[in-house]
Amino acid sequence: QQQVKQSPQSLIVQKGGIPIINCAYENTAFDYFPWYQQFPGKGPALLIAIRPDVSEKKEGRFTISFNKSAKQFSLHIMDSQPGDSATYFCAASSGGFKTIFGAGTRLFVKA
Amino acid sequence: DAMVIQNPRYQVTQFGKPVTLSCSQTLNHNVMYWYQQKSSQAPKLLFHYYDKDFNNEADTPDNFQSRRPNTSFCFLDIRSPGLGDAAMYLCATSRDPGLGGTRRPQHFGDGTRLSIL
Repeated sequence: QQQVKQSPQSLIVQKGGIPIINCAYENTAFDYFPWYQQFPGKGPALLIAIRPDVSEKKEGRFTISFNKSAKQFSLHIMDSQPGDSATYFCAASSGGFKTIFGAGTRLFVKA
Repeated sequence: DAMVIQNPRYQVTQFGKPVTLSCSQTLNHNVMYWYQQKSSQAPKLLFHYYDKDFNNEADTPDNFQSRRPNTSFCFLDIRSPGLGDAAMYLCATSRDPGLGGTRRPQHFGDGTRLSIL
C-alpha cells in the first residue's frame, strides 16, 4: 500500500530522444507527487511536482502525465540532452511528513 | 543562496567508533529529515524533526540517534557503526504547509558519504 513502483530501472536514449519513466502507486491517500533528479555525488533536487487534480504539468522540457484512475504517473523529458543523464526518483506523499520514493531510474543520454 | 549544507562531505570511521554527521540550513524550514542512501537505491528515511518533536521510523536501528539543538542545525549520531552502515547520509528540510496548505517539496543537502574501516 505504501509502495511506489518505478520502471524502468535504467534507460539509454540518444540525444534528442524522449525518455519516459513510469510510476504506479496503490495508496489513494497520496496527494502530492514530486520527481527528484540526482547527479552522482549530489543530493536529490526537486525537478517537478504534480497534484492528483491535474492530469499534466510542464516545466521546460519536463512533463508529468498523471492518470488518477489508473494510479499511475510518468515523467517525459523532451529533447533530452547528455546533461540530463542522472538518476530520477518519483515519489509520493500524503498527510504527514513521510515521502515514499520509487526505486529510481538511471538515465543515460548518448551524445 | 539559501541552502542545506552537510559536513563533512566524506567521513571515514572505524568499525564501532562513534561518528557524528552535521547538517545546517538557511531556509528556516521547521521540518528536518535524515535519510540513508545506499548505492543505486532510493533514500530511506531514518527520522525527522518537526520543530523540536523527534519522529523515529519504526525500522531505524537504535544505533542511530539525532539531535536538533535549534532550527538551523541537526546532527546524526551513529553510536557504533557497523560495516552495513556505510552509505550516503542525506539531510533534507521542508516547510510545514499547515492545515490545508499547499504541500512543499523537500530540499536536500549533497550528503555525507560515510565509509567504515
